[in-house]
Amino acid sequence: DAMVIQNPRYQVTQFGKPVTLSCSQTLNHNVMYWYQQKSSQAPKLLFHYYDKDFNNEADTPDNFQSRRPNTSFCFLDIRSPGLGDAAMYLCATSRDFQGGLLGYTFGSGTRLTVV
Amino acid sequence: AQRVTQPEKLLSVFKGAPVELKCNYSYSGSPELFWYVQYSRQRLQLLLRHISRESIKGFTADLNKGETSFHLKKPFAQEEDSAMYYCALSSGGYNKLIFGAGTRLAVHP
Repeated sequence: DAMVIQNPRYQVTQFGKPVTLSCSQTLNHNVMYWYQQKSSQAPKLLFHYYDKDFNNEADTPDNFQSRRPNTSFCFLDIRSPGLGDAAMYLCATSRDFQGGLLGYTFGSGTRLTVV
Repeated sequence: AQRVTQPEKLLSVFKGAPVELKCNYSYSGSPELFWYVQYSRQRLQLLLRHISRESIKGFTADLNKGETSFHLKKPFAQEEDSAMYYCALSSGGYNKLIFGAGTRLAVHP
């Protein structure tokens, strides 16, 4: 089935140690999004790629970076994770910006624990 | 500021009872509104969109611009409806989705 796949499902990292979360998609959607969801809170958009164009939300910390080497893959890099970065990280895709009309397709998420 | 508010963290009902999950929004333009659902151990998935005026799994939602609300309703809840429900608003030139904090619906036998 065409879908959005996030690896790993659970990630434990040490305080301050760089970590990378992965997202891949077989939908050939040109827009990919990364959301952060902390416990009992709304998912919060960190940034998105429209094709190769990167768009950062104004309040996304500099500690968070992203790479999109090709249409299928998108990575979330956390350069120096702090305890406050522990969260579920959700990847989503949409075709063009039709996500606003048709909705997004989400991955299962990666739960990040910082120790 | 654009915001989505879901006032209830938990809604607990018995099977067969009516359900209404509340959603209020603040947005200066013409919003596109959605309900997403997350069943246990599954990914977040689109339930319905206001523009399609559809009924999915017996759920409906009506956009009330006067009250800035988009409540999700079902006349007779089923146990399989137990899940986390998120209301979302599409805003901005690139249709960024803004989510509410979610309401957990628990349907008891």
